[in-house]
Amino acid sequence: QKEVEQNSGPLSVPEGAIASLNCTYSDRGSQSFFWYRQYSGKSPELIMSIYSNGDKEDGRFTAQLNKASQYVSLLIRDSQPSDSATYLCAVRSGNTGKLIFGQGTTLQVKP
Amino acid sequence: DTEVTQTPKHLVMGMTNKKSLKCEQHMGHRAMYWYKQKAKKPPELMFVYSYEKLSINESVPSRFSPECPNSSLLNLHLHALQPEDSALYLCASSQESTEAGNTIYFGEGSWLTVV
Repeated sequence: QKEVEQNSGPLSVPEGAIASLNCTYSDRGSQSFFWYRQYSGKSPELIMSIYSNGDKEDGRFTAQLNKASQYVSLLIRDSQPSDSATYLCAVRSGNTGKLIFGQGTTLQVKP
Repeated sequence: DTEVTQTPKHLVMGMTNKKSLKCEQHMGHRAMYWYKQKAKKPPELMFVYSYEKLSINESVPSRFSPECPNSSLLNLHLHALQPEDSALYLCASSQESTEAGNTIYFGEGSWLTVV
């Protein structure tokens, strides 16, 4: 079983719709969760971090964490073509500073 | 804009060459990292430095040699690399390496091609 799992997609949504990206993780002791956006040929860019159960909103982005289900998600409201990228879910491993990434979900927002 | 600066952005080197990748951060972070990312794969951790000391080496081959001259600088020395080492090398930093809430910020990366 992979430590962090994401559906690789592509996930295709029309412009203006809500995009929902999902991630599960295997280490029940994990405490820090991150979503990075990566455009083709570029480095990962932090979108959201979340540490507590529930929702965290930042502009058009909402991260949701459910530690009991070992599940973290990212919602993108009013999706724009510029949101088309690969979204990487990352889980911090213990107190080591090591990020374990999922394989990434490719999002395509069609005008 | 990222405050983690990496140079060079692109590097082509032969298998017998010696080269270095450089990374600098000005956020006062005490933890710095090297990650490697192959095409269409997620980043994978190579090294962690905490307070200028190597704290994690993810069983990286010795042809990759990290160095942390001070808390703002991180180098990756490359020697006798193989074509399969061609990848995007990402430097990152965070306030601390051991605190769960610290966010890790990535630089723009150095694209390495080994010929």
